Amino acid sequence: AQKVTQAQTEISVVEKEDVTLDCVYETRDTTYYLFWYKQPPSGELVFLIRRNSFDEQNEISGRYSWNFQKSTSSFNFTITASQVVDSAVYFCALSEYPDYKLSFGAGTTVTVRA
Amino acid sequence: DSGVTQTPKHLITATGQRVTLRCSPRSGDLSVYWYQQSLDQGLQFLIQYYNGEERAKGNILERFSAQQFPDLHSELNLSSLELGDSALYFCASSVRPSGRDEQFFGPGTRLTVL
Repeated sequence: AQKVTQAQTEISVVEKEDVTLDCVYETRDTTYYLFWYKQPPSGELVFLIRRNSFDEQNEISGRYSWNFQKSTSSFNFTITASQVVDSAVYFCALSEYPDYKLSFGAGTTVTVRA
Repeated sequence: DSGVTQTPKHLITATGQRVTLRCSPRSGDLSVYWYQQSLDQGLQFLIQYYNGEERAKGNILERFSAQQFPDLHSELNLSSLELGDSALYFCASSVRPSGRDEQFFGPGTRLTVL
């Protein structure tokens, strides 16, 4: 069964628009961790943010912010005032006990047009 | 630059052959993970090592094997290669096998099986 679902396959926006990426996860654990990674056209995977299941406080880091809601098992990610360099595939991932491997969603391709 | 190195960057080989992919984790990281990224399967966890010991296995084929050496570098061996093994193979490392530690990814090795 898919543990992480990213329903949006592709999103296209014009520069300076905000972009919100949806992520829904599935776990029976009470302790787990959620991540967002970015994969630009160059191919590497870049860590963006991590959240643990005990901390539902939503935060902002620069142009990135996230909305973690345990009640709906969602961990959404927003890029504010998007830039062309934000064009990439964004992956949501879940890490659980005991091995803490990353279970990735299918990814959302974000294209920011100038 | 994540600090994780992978060699080679690209590998082209023929069906039935055997290849070895190499990964050096970030300095101080004891845990190494291998992931496969293909168009049809997405990003899939293969295997995890911690301080030289295998810790978890994912969707890794019997034709594939891995090990982590005393200097903590890791190798992924792929044998009897098939066309479907063509993919981007990532290595990631973390301090511990814990969700509290983000995994940092190497640049990947792109394997093409002809």
